[in-house]
Amino acid sequence: DQQVKQNSPSLSVQEGRISILNCDYTNSMFDYFLWYKKYPAEGPTFLISISSIKDKNEDGRFTVFLNKSAKHLSLHIVPSQPGDSAVYFCAVTWAGSYQLTFGKGTKLSVIP
Amino acid sequence: DTAVSQTPKYLVTQMGNDKSIKCEQNLGHDTMYWYKQDSKKFLKIMFSYNNKELIINETVPNRFSPKSPDKAHLNLHINSLELGDSAVYFCASSQEGLNTEAFFGQGTRLTVV
Repeated sequence: DQQVKQNSPSLSVQEGRISILNCDYTNSMFDYFLWYKKYPAEGPTFLISISSIKDKNEDGRFTVFLNKSAKHLSLHIVPSQPGDSAVYFCAVTWAGSYQLTFGKGTKLSVIP
Repeated sequence: DTAVSQTPKYLVTQMGNDKSIKCEQNLGHDTMYWYKQDSKKFLKIMFSYNNKELIINETVPNRFSPKSPDKAHLNLHINSLELGDSAVYFCASSQEGLNTEAFFGQGTRLTVV
């Protein structure tokens, strides 16, 4: 039973355009949300996070949006660059937790 | 300097063998984890240690046993390896639980033949 769903296994975007990666979660208990980026043969690296008290967090080209009522978050990358090509994992947790629950990932390909 | 390092990177072994994967972090973090990424690409928590104490032990066969000799190390021992144990195992660490950024190792690809 998947608690975190990333329904698009892959996404192709032209360089310079916006990439939008989506994530849905099922449990309203989750109150902290993270995005990780993973290159082949490497471990995931933290990208950006948002807590449930916010609906937007921005860091350079990366913005995460949270819609609590819809239990949905998204990651926007603008402008997309070829170096952004990687697998992006959505992860969720709650205050004081010692575990992350990950989605299955979306493979982003940015075409030069 | 690698923040979270795990060895070996690749491990090929026969069914029934016992093997260990080592993990070390030099970030001074209190919490360390083992995650498993299976063939379906899901990353799932296996164990979580905080200050050398086991916090989370998900439904994992007891053939898997984590050992934390100190805060900077969390090793994973696997006994009587089975074909279904083939996966990529990631070690990670964080300060004060996972609401803060977790740092992952590069992964150990275990293949049981």
